[in-house]
Amino acid sequence: EPEVTQTPSHQVTQMGQEVILRCVPISNHLYFYWYRQILGQKVEFLVSFYNNEISEKSEIFDDQFSVERPDGSNFTLKIRSTKLEDSAMYFCASGRALGQFNTEAFFGQGTRLTVV
Amino acid sequence: AQTVTQSQPEMSVQEAETVTLSCTYDTSESDYYLFWYKQPPSRQMILVIRQEAYKQQNATENRFSVNFQKAAKSFSLKISDSQLGDAAMYFCAYRSAEGGNFGNEKLTFGTGTRLTIIP
Repeated sequence: EPEVTQTPSHQVTQMGQEVILRCVPISNHLYFYWYRQILGQKVEFLVSFYNNEISEKSEIFDDQFSVERPDGSNFTLKIRSTKLEDSAMYFCASGRALGQFNTEAFFGQGTRLTVV
Repeated sequence: AQTVTQSQPEMSVQEAETVTLSCTYDTSESDYYLFWYKQPPSRQMILVIRQEAYKQQNATENRFSVNFQKAAKSFSLKISDSQLGDAAMYFCAYRSAEGGNFGNEKLTFGTGTRLTIIP
């Protein structure tokens, strides 16, 4: 069964460093998302991406965040200058193939980002 | 803006028994979807069940079923014959359907209910 894959599973970075979280969505999906979950809290929407552009972003997704689909298969989240409060689990999700109207978002297994 | 509320931070149930997890939501929209996601200790988010707001019939998936009360804006999850593998965090989520194909696709999650299965 197709699945969303994320790498790495765990990343430790120093405050102020740039990190790139990588995701390979399900191949025929058109919509891509990043969510984050600070430990013990609820899952929060960051950004949605469709047709090679951001379709919506939350107030969390400020100028230090960016997303890219560089090669038609990968979908990346870049955090330019990490802060301690960026420590969280980051989930990539994808959904809705062409011609389909199902509404499920399929999630990856997450990347745990620890900023020290 | 839509909000999703899960008022039970923790629940426990004996193995093989039935448990119901509560979820309420607030929206001014008439067309939307509701979901229950399961997050086991591995932290992956797994879709359990989906309900379209325009459908009156409650969704079922094997041992999982929902009680969808649109007027009351309530969406509870019933797990029958609970198994040890059901132990997880369960999140209720809302998604608008009013934007069509190019609309608002994001999920709004509740704070979750941690379900413990007692052997």
